[in-house]
Amino acid sequence: QVTLKESGPALVKPTQTLTLTCTLSGFSVSTTGTRVSWVRQPPGKALEWLARIDWDDDKFYSTSLESRLTISRDTSRNQVVLTMTHMDPVDTATYYCARMYFSDISGHCLDNWGQGILVTVSS
Amino acid sequence: DIQMTQSPSSVSASVGDRVTITCRASQGVSSWLAWYQQKPGKAPTFLIYGASSLQSGVPSRFSGRGSGTDFTLTISNLQPEDFATYYCQQSNSFPLTFGGGTKVEIK
Repeated sequence: QVTLKESGPALVKPTQTLTLTCTLSGFSVSTTGTRVSWVRQPPGKALEWLARIDWDDDKFYSTSLESRLTISRDTSRNQVVLTMTHMDPVDTATYYCARMYFSDISGHCLDNWGQGILVTVSS
Repeated sequence: DIQMTQSPSSVSASVGDRVTITCRASQGVSSWLAWYQQKPGKAPTFLIYGASSLQSGVPSRFSGRGSGTDFTLTISNLQPEDFATYYCQQSNSFPLTFGGGTKVEIK
C-alpha cells in the first residue's frame, strides 16, 4: 500500500527556514520512475505546486519560489525533504507531498497524496 | 508558466443533477490535463488523467473531455459524496499549475 506522510513544525516565525519531511511507504524514492512532489494550499485557497524530485535526483521548482526552495531525498530513510527559506505569514498553508505518476497518456499527475501538514507562520 | 482558469468558481446543485465544470489553459496542453476532488479538511484525490481517462475506482458518473486549451469535467447524477471542490491541473509541462477550483455545493 502506497502512503506518504508529512512531518515538521506546525509553527514557524517570520524569516525562519521551514524544513518538512515526507516519509514514503510502499514505494522507494530510489526506484527508477519514482517522482515525488510538494504542493501547498493556503487556507481557503487553491493548490500550488512547489517542487519535484526524481529517482535519479533530478529536481524541478516553482518559478516564483525557486530561489527559496530546496528539495532533497534521503534514500536510506526513504524520505523526501523540502526546505523553504525566509518564511513569511503569506506562506501559511497546508503542505502536501504527493507521488507523481507519469505516462505518455497522463503526463505528470499526482496519484497518491499525504494527509498534509498545516504550517502557520507567525511571530 | 501555463495559467489554468476554472469556471464557475462555485455551483449549487441537487442530488441527481448534472454538473459541468470548465477549465481553460493559457496555452495548449494537448490532452495532458488532470482533475482532482478535494473534500474539506482532506487531501485531494486523483480523478481523471489524460483529460478523459478515469483513475481506477472513480465512478463512471464522472467524465472528462477536451484537448488543447479547453476542458470540461461533468458529473452526472450527482451523489451526496460528490459535494466537494474540484481542481484541474495541466500535466503537460513544469511548473505544474492548477486551476482556482470549483466548489460544488448542495442547493
